[in-house]
Amino acid sequence: QVQLVQSGAEVKKPGASVKVSCKASGYTFTRYGISWVRQAPGQGLEWMGWISPYNGNTKYAQKNEDRVTMTTDTSTRTAYMELRSLRSDDTAVYYCARDLDYLDYWGQGTLVTVSS
Amino acid sequence: DIVMTQTPLSSPVTLGQPASISCRSSQSLVHSDGNTYLSWLQQRPGQPPTLLIYNVSNRFSGVPDRFSGSGAGTDFTLKIIRVEAEDVGVYYCMQATQFPYTFGQGTKLEIK
Repeated sequence: QVQLVQSGAEVKKPGASVKVSCKASGYTFTRYGISWVRQAPGQGLEWMGWISPYNGNTKYAQKNEDRVTMTTDTSTRTAYMELRSLRSDDTAVYYCARDLDYLDYWGQGTLVTVSS
Repeated sequence: DIVMTQTPLSSPVTLGQPASISCRSSQSLVHSDGNTYLSWLQQRPGQPPTLLIYNVSNRFSGVPDRFSGSGAGTDFTLKIIRVEAEDVGVYYCMQATQFPYTFGQGTKLEIK
């Protein structure tokens, strides 16, 4: 069965970086994209970007394009999302999801808290 | 960016009664390949979102047939023919026709 398992919660200070991992299993990793979506406390869903594990192509939301990098490691079937220069409004649950032009399987979410 | 607008934002429903959520996009969601990449997601309290409907009207694996999706172009609807207690949560429409993907604001379904 398809599973996406994310890394654990993080607490970071403003200005720091965070790197969230998303390990896939149960399907051919390079066949489908991975999207990253975040959800601030009590808020809706915000798409952050997409990566193709097949060729590493990426598309980022313009809002955080200068601070985010998405990568994959096909040898470990893992996708990564790094966000730099963290601010308090980056506090959110970050999700990875398999992307078939719809998001069919989601990770359990990683809470990133940015606080001094 | 394509703006997705959902109505209502809150929907109190009696158990066993139908519910309907509307989603309107600021431009057509018909892709150049002919598909319409409009999906519906359910998020139960404290859980990640789960896929209900993809490409307007296709129920995802395991989704009960009381859920249905319809629409075309810029206007879409999610219907639940008989609401059950487990349907409580927030429902989102999402477009993946064009980057950046965008979501509706969410509709909170609650039981009266």
